[in-house]
Formats: sequence, C-alpha cells, structure tokens
Amino acid sequence: AQSVTQPDIHITVSEGASLELRCNYSYGATPYLFWYVQSPGQGLQLLLKYFSGDTLVQGIKGFEAEFKRSQSSFNLRKPSVHWSDAAEYFCAVGADNQGGKLIFGQGTELSVKP
Amino acid sequence: IAGITQAPTSQILAAGRRMTLRCTQDMRHNAMYWYRQDLGLGLRLIHYSNTAGTTGKGEVPDGYSVSRANTDDFPLTLASAVPSQTSVYFCASSAGTSGRGEQFFGPGTRLTVL
Repeated sequence: AQSVTQPDIHITVSEGASLELRCNYSYGATPYLFWYVQSPGQGLQLLLKYFSGDTLVQGIKGFEAEFKRSQSSFNLRKPSVHWSDAAEYFCAVGADNQGGKLIFGQGTELSVKP
Repeated sequence: IAGITQAPTSQILAAGRRMTLRCTQDMRHNAMYWYRQDLGLGLRLIHYSNTAGTTGKGEVPDGYSVSRANTDDFPLTLASAVPSQTSVYFCASSAGTSGRGEQFFGPGTRLTVL
C-alpha cells in the first residue's frame, strides 16, 4: 500500500539557518509529490509540486525540493529560514490511478528561534 | 474570491448528537474532499466526491456521511458523534481528478465531542 513518511515530528532551527525537511514515500506507480504548509490556525497552502522532468523543483516563499527516485525521497529545503516560516509542513503523494486523492505524511512542525 | 468556506469555525458537541459541518467552494471545482487532522497522524481522507451527484469513501469513513447535491456544497454529517471524532476537519477541492491536481483547503472546523 502506498504511504508517506515524514520522520521528523518537530524541528527547531535558528533564523537564517538552512532547513531540510525529510519525506519518504512508498508507491508502486510514478508518484506525483507535493509539499503543503499549514500556518497556525489556517488551512493548507501548496508550496510546490513534482510531476516529472527536472528533479529539483522551486516553490513559493523560497522553498525547493528534490525528487530522488533511488531513495524514494522528496525532501524540502530552504537556504535561509525566516521567523515567518514557523508552521507545520506536510508531504503528500498522488497518482493517476488514485483520482485526485492525496495521501499525506504525518507532518513536521517547524519552530524558528531568533 | 473566498475560495472555500467552512462552518462552523469551532464547535463543542455532546456525544450522541448529530452534527453537520458545512463546506462551500466558489471555484466551480469538480472534486471535493473531507479530511480530519489529528496530532501525529497528519491528514486522513474521510470521504470525497469527484463530481456533483457522486461520493466515495476514503481512509476513515466510519461514522461519517456526505452528500453532493450540487457543485459548490459538500456537507459532512456525523449522525451520532463520539469522542473519537474530536478533531480538526478540513474541506478541500480540486479542479479535476488527476493525481496532478492541486487541492485547495478551507480554514478548518475544530470539533470537540464530549
């Protein structure tokens, strides 16, 4: 069965430091991969997505993610974190044979210290 | 443009009571989804609808029902609420049912069942 794992429940980084949030997926077909961000008390907003082609994708708010098929990973990165990046981040996977349904990881809560 | 609206914002409900969570979108999206968000479990799909007049079960459908009488509205009903249904509920929509489609999320309803 398909699954998405985010190994880190909570990460704290200093403002200005680099960030990497991990995401591993298990999927038989070619997956479509997404990263969403949820600010406190808000719904989810799409950061970026990968379908095919260049394995490094750019998103909003200075985020990027790299698809590594050999590692079944789609890690999210940002070179320099801002205090406003504190939020919960969700990795999700979709596929054509699943209709529009997505499977979400457990989420990683990011805290940013001054 | 409102996108997706959900009502109520929050609710405290006695066990055994019936409750309907409302969801309305103004994007004319074909597909709509209901998720519940629980700490450490991420978002789990309850029910979905690929188009008006059709619905399907997600990962955790027990105790919930949905209807899709028109394109815009997708209410979620708890026929007889139980404490394990305490959660934050998110409604989402997507233009189509391709696995590539971005899902747009509402602000959520926080439900407490006592």
